[in-house]
Formats: sequence, C-alpha cells, structure tokens
Amino acid sequence: EAQVTQNPRYLITVTGKKLTVTCSQNMNHEYMSWYRQDPGLGLRQIYYSMNVEVTDKGDVPEGYKVSRKEKRNFPLILESPSPNQTSLYFCASSPATRGADTQYFGPGTRLTVL
Amino acid sequence: GEDVEQSLFLSVREGDSSVINCTYTDSSSTYLYWYKQEPGAGLQLLTYIFSNMDMKQDQRLTVLLNKKDKHLSLRIADTQTGDSAIYFCAEYSNYQLIWGAGTKLIIKP
Repeated sequence: EAQVTQNPRYLITVTGKKLTVTCSQNMNHEYMSWYRQDPGLGLRQIYYSMNVEVTDKGDVPEGYKVSRKEKRNFPLILESPSPNQTSLYFCASSPATRGADTQYFGPGTRLTVL
Repeated sequence: GEDVEQSLFLSVREGDSSVINCTYTDSSSTYLYWYKQEPGAGLQLLTYIFSNMDMKQDQRLTVLLNKKDKHLSLRIADTQTGDSAIYFCAEYSNYQLIWGAGTKLIIKP
C-alpha cells in the first residue's frame, strides 16, 4: 500500500532532550516536506527536500534540522526541544520535484514538550 | 509574503449545500488546492484547480475560481455527516504550498 509513515505517533518529552521523528514513504517520491499544525494557524512548512541531499528551509525552520540521505526517509530532528515546539507534525511527499503535485500526508505526530 | 485566508468555522444542516470560501494573494499561483482533514488523521487531497480554469466539478464537489478577486470556493452538495472535517485551501507559490488556517465544517442534524 502506498503510504507515508511517521513514528512515533505520540511523544511527550522534556525541554532540551534531543528527539527524532522519522518519516518514510514507499512511493519513490522526490519531494518531501515537514509541516507543523497549530490551532488557528493552519499548516506551516518547516523544511522541505526536492531530492536526496537537497534540503531547504520553509517558513518556520528555527529549532529544527532535517536530513535526506535516502530518497524514502526524511527525519525531523529537534536538537533541544522547547515548549513552543509542542504541536502536531505532518510529513508529506509528492512525486513532483517542485511539490506542485498532490502531496501525500502521513498520519501526524503529536509532540508535547514539557 | 503570500497569504491564504479562510473562515475558521462553517455550520450547515445535513442535506444542505456547504460553501467554504478562501482568498489568496499570489496572482501568479498556478494551482489551488482543497485538502480535507478528518479528526485524528492527516490531510487528503480533495480536489485542485488549475489557474486557467473557472470551475471544476467532481461529483458532489464544485470548485469556483475568481482570479480577478483571488477568491476560491468549495461547494459540497447534499452535505452528509461524513463531510464533517477541517477543509484547507492552499495555493502553490514559489515552490511551496501556502496554506490557509482551515475551515471546520460542522454538520447539524
């Protein structure tokens, strides 16, 4: 089944404890992206990647890192999480390099930073 | 920067039509999208419209695009309880999708 998977789905952590949220897609898509969703703010893009070893900042990259060593994986890293990073995070992928085509979303990761 | 705006809530009676509105700022947008998010789930593409079109119909869904006013709408005919969700409008601008805040559609029996 074609899908985007994220792990973990739920995570509660403490300020400053490094964490990684994994994202994997099995559709051979070039484009991958991370978003955070906050009430009343919609989706805001954190980072995106147009292909392996190519990553770019989105609208809210501060406090986040990403890597794209393989086409299928695009992990999101929070080196020193803070409470303002408590949010719902979505990974998405798209077959179009520029992301203009349909984006397929993962189920979301709900992160709480205490 | 570019911006997309939507009302946060819409309440309709079951069986009526729902019309969700969206305004955007980038007049050079090539694609405009509607995504649906059901409770506890990720987003799914509902439909999209290319900027050289005025209207697109897909079963119960009708998308209208007014480029002059930069206004996009999604009409859902015969709204059912299964249509209860958050609907996001998005425009493609500068290699990114710019998202609205989402409109929560509430269905009254």
